[in-house]
Amino acid sequence: EVVLTQSPGTLSLSPGERATLSCRASQSVRSNYLAWYQQKPGQAPRLLIYGASSRATGIPDRFSGSGSGTDFTLIIGRLEPEDFAVYYCQQYGNTPPVTFGGGTKVEIK
Amino acid sequence: DVQLVESGGGLVQPGGSLRLSCAASGFTFSNYDFHWVRQTAGKPLEWVSGIGRGLDTYYADSVKGRFTISREDAKNSLYLQMNILRAEDTAVYYCAREIMVAGFFDAVDMWGQGTMVTVSS
Repeated sequence: EVVLTQSPGTLSLSPGERATLSCRASQSVRSNYLAWYQQKPGQAPRLLIYGASSRATGIPDRFSGSGSGTDFTLIIGRLEPEDFAVYYCQQYGNTPPVTFGGGTKVEIK
Repeated sequence: DVQLVESGGGLVQPGGSLRLSCAASGFTFSNYDFHWVRQTAGKPLEWVSGIGRGLDTYYADSVKGRFTISREDAKNSLYLQMNILRAEDTAVYYCAREIMVAGFFDAVDMWGQGTMVTVSS
């Protein structure tokens, strides 16, 4: 099973700042099949990025994903008030099972 | 509206059973693969089970032998039969639709609102 480790656990930033979130896999993710989700309290997750770097439909271009192998990054270019949430990475290349990371909370500083 | 709506959650005693349903609308259900994903309050997401268009099924080790996933394309519905429930199965259960880019197992581009399952005496 591929273990995904996200860092940092919490990121305290101000609106307008840039956020850099990391997701490290315990082994290489096949075909870079890695996704990023945003989740707000009481809501279901929302797909942001799939295939490590492809933006999902309707996702603003301030969200970008990169990386390959075992190291992946989600960057939020300039934080908007609605971007403060928890972010999860997910790998779906070495399956079953699909696995998720432990999450990074982006909070208002 | 394009949506997934779960139902069937509730309070059940340890060792009991529950059947979750997920009703899909606004898209061609039979063209997609689906999953159940759960989340305990304040904890990360956990994949539970998946089913393909060809009725191939997959399970997390933690539920294998106790849970059964199924689908009924004619009714645009996904199901999860949960038996021998344990306290650690307590969670919000989400129905999830794959984006259908990478083939079975894929990212999820649509989620239901979730249904709460509580296993407690």
